[in-house]
Amino acid sequence: AQKVTQAQTEISVVEKEDVTLDCVYETRDTTYYLFWYKQPPSGELVFLIRRNSFDEQNEISGRYSWNFQKSTSSFNFTITASQVVDSAVYFCALRWAAGNKLTFGGGTRVLVKP
Amino acid sequence: DVKVTQSSRYLVKRTGEKVFLECVQDMDHENMFWYRQDPGLGLRLIYFSYDVKMKEKGDIPEGYSVSREKKERFSLILESASTNQTSMYLCASSSFRGGAGQPQHFGDGTRLSIL
Repeated sequence: AQKVTQAQTEISVVEKEDVTLDCVYETRDTTYYLFWYKQPPSGELVFLIRRNSFDEQNEISGRYSWNFQKSTSSFNFTITASQVVDSAVYFCALRWAAGNKLTFGGGTRVLVKP
Repeated sequence: DVKVTQSSRYLVKRTGEKVFLECVQDMDHENMFWYRQDPGLGLRLIYFSYDVKMKEKGDIPEGYSVSREKKERFSLILESASTNQTSMYLCASSSFRGGAGQPQHFGDGTRLSIL
């Protein structure tokens, strides 16, 4: 069975602070994909990044960066110099390579105060 | 850009009614999905479809059915709505093309209240 755990339910920061969202996953599959999605107050889930299980390179996209560590089954997400527009719920998700189904974590609500 | 359109943002229905939630995607995606989202539970898969007229149960199919008569449209049906089906419903689609691991693209969601 697959499982994704986002232990932080809510994080509150002041603008320009960095914030790191934790994601820990469980799977018996050797080939899988990990995703991060952002859900702003408007409700739509926005795809942010995909990482496959064979690619452990960290990735940076603007103020966003991702740290994938297979040894600890973690795929953490950092927002650098946070802005009010980053306020949203962020979901980590896991998918087995041969399947269609995404398993989501419970989400972390990020509140960035001005 | 992929566009997934859900027919209603907000919907209020009564217990026992038959409720239809509609979803249309414009990218010729093979896969379509219905999720419900509840506080503290994240997103849970209700049903998905990988082709026209094909469907598979997700984690919580009880009380729901689906219909996919055309590739671009995937309908979720609450046969006899109950108050415990009050939730946010999200539709998504994804492609087979480009190999495994293609991301799912989501609609804006329908916030359904059953009174």
